[in-house]
Amino acid sequence: EPEVTQTPSHQVTQMGQEVILRCVPISNHLYFYWYRQILGQKVEFLVSFYNNEISEKSEIFDDQFSVERPDGSNFTLKIRSTKLEDSAMYFCASRETSGGPYFGPGTRLTVT
Amino acid sequence: GQQLNQSPQSMFIQEGEDVSMNCTSSSIFNTWLWYKQDPGEGPVLLIALYKAGELTSNGRLTAQFGITRKDSFLNISASIPSDVGIYFCAGPVNFGNEKLTFGTGTRLTIIP
Repeated sequence: EPEVTQTPSHQVTQMGQEVILRCVPISNHLYFYWYRQILGQKVEFLVSFYNNEISEKSEIFDDQFSVERPDGSNFTLKIRSTKLEDSAMYFCASRETSGGPYFGPGTRLTVT
Repeated sequence: GQQLNQSPQSMFIQEGEDVSMNCTSSSIFNTWLWYKQDPGEGPVLLIALYKAGELTSNGRLTAQFGITRKDSFLNISASIPSDVGIYFCAGPVNFGNEKLTFGTGTRLTIIP
């Protein structure tokens, strides 16, 4: 069964460094998302992406964040200058025209 | 912002018991999604509901879209050890909106 994949599974970085989290959405899906989950809290929406542009973003998704679909299969989230409070699980998700989004296994980002 | 409240917050049951949990909102939702999350993993889509009154099953799981469109229920019959985890309801904030709001979660524990 097709699934969303994410790499790396765990990323440790120093405060102020740039990180890129990578995702391969399900191949025939058209809508792509990034969510995050701080330890012990619920999943929060960051950004949605459709037709090669951001369709919606939350207040969390400030100028330090960017997304890109560099080719037909990858979808990336970049954080330019990480802060301690960016430490969280980051989930990529994708969906077809209809239906609920399917989530990847997540990347645990630890900022020290 | 939108708030989805789930109850109960946690459940302790014996293997083989049936489980019921619900999700309520102060606003109308046009879609209800139910996810299960295991520790350190991404949410797994269980059931998607699109119409008021809709009742949908997925194996031992059954979910209903409440008539008022402000609530949804998830039932699990004859629970087994792999049912352990956190169950989240989720829905788009507004019609046509890409942003999913997640509920507060129900943690299911099976007592040996």
